[in-house]
Amino acid sequence: SQTIHQWPATLVQPVGSPLSLECTVEGTSNPNLYWYRQAAGRGLQLLFYSVGIGQISSEVPQNLSASRPQDRQFILSSKKLLLSDSGFYLCAVGGAGTQYFGPGTRLLVL
Amino acid sequence: AQSVSQHNHHVILSEAASLELGCNYSYGGTVNLFWYVQYPGQHLQLLLKYFSGDPLVKGIKGFEAEFIKSKFSFNLRKPSVQWSDTAEYFCAVNPLGGYQKVTFGTGTKLQVIP
Repeated sequence: SQTIHQWPATLVQPVGSPLSLECTVEGTSNPNLYWYRQAAGRGLQLLFYSVGIGQISSEVPQNLSASRPQDRQFILSSKKLLLSDSGFYLCAVGGAGTQYFGPGTRLLVL
Repeated sequence: AQSVSQHNHHVILSEAASLELGCNYSYGGTVNLFWYVQYPGQHLQLLLKYFSGDPLVKGIKGFEAEFIKSKFSFNLRKPSVQWSDTAEYFCAVNPLGGYQKVTFGTGTKLQVIP
């Protein structure tokens, strides 16, 4: 079975600082990978998904970006964080619609 | 684009009470439907799913959900809740064909009082 690693677990960053969140997957190859943001009262918002190396689809226009430099590595980045970027970021692996989620990174932008 | 509505944002029940959480989706084609659950301090995990066949599906821990195509609904039910069911529940939809995109509802927080 697959295992999803995310780090860091918690992050506090000042407004305007850069961001890099990493997700790696074990136990599967060529997975579909997803980044979600979970904010209070707003459920899970799909940010990006990737069906292969270098292939990124963006769902929500914003100051975040994603990259997939390796088959089982998915990175979420920002050049300048906004207060509204605070939230719980989840990486997921998907197959036939079913999603398997990582432990998440809680980001607080001050 | 598809969307998912969960009308109950916060539900409080006593143990042994029956539970029904509403979920409605909007999409014109065939969909896969899911309920996910996030227990306090744990990962989001799959509770049950509907792909085809019997519209009444059973999941883990005594949960079930019924797909009513005419109502675009996929409500989650449990006849008798336990304190350990305290969690946040998310309905999700994935259209058949195309890419692997899943759209989630805003979630329902269930609090079960002992």
